[in-house]
Amino acid sequence: KQEVTQIPAALSVPEGENLVLNCSFTDSAIYNLQWFRQDPGKGLTSLLLIQSSQREQTSGRLNASLDKSSGRSTLYIAASQPGDSATYLCAVTGANSKLTFGKGITLSVRP
Amino acid sequence: GAVVSQHPSRVICKSGTSVKIECRSLDFQATTMFWYRQFPKKSLMLMATSNEGSKATYEQGVEKDKFLINHASLTLSTLTVTSAHPEDSSFYICSARNSGNTIYFGEGSWLTVV
Repeated sequence: KQEVTQIPAALSVPEGENLVLNCSFTDSAIYNLQWFRQDPGKGLTSLLLIQSSQREQTSGRLNASLDKSSGRSTLYIAASQPGDSATYLCAVTGANSKLTFGKGITLSVRP
Repeated sequence: GAVVSQHPSRVICKSGTSVKIECRSLDFQATTMFWYRQFPKKSLMLMATSNEGSKATYEQGVEKDKFLINHASLTLSTLTVTSAHPEDSSFYICSARNSGNTIYFGEGSWLTVV
């Protein structure tokens, strides 16, 4: 059974800092990995999707990497801003398109 | 791009009543839709897989008589929480798969049972 782990559960950083959010998964037989953002009381926003054959994806200040063999992904946020404060979820897609989510990392960027 | 619309985004209902949440694929046909639920401080968990024209496949531990899923058309799946109780209060989100096996998520629905 696939398990996705995101540690730590919460992170607080000062504005402007570059930071890395980690995600690990137990079963490397995945089709893709996604990073989502969830604001309090709001829905999910898809940030980046990495196919199993890819190593990384970039969008603006965000860069996500995937090392499928070791079961790891990182989300790099450059020059963090208070508006980046949210919960970041990692999810892997396995058989039959079912996603397994991590518990998320709640990020707080202090002005 | 493809969009999945989920409605309502927020709903408050009284304990004992039923509430329906709709998931629509707006510009593609979705033969398969998925329903997830998020518990406080926990992961989003798959509840069931909804296939158009057939019965939904529920994950272990999900009560099929309580969480009724209907996928009557290629663009609409509904989740009905029957006889809702406060412990059913949660964030419910759907996703839809297109013919290219790409998954798109709805924005989710916050259910509060009072």
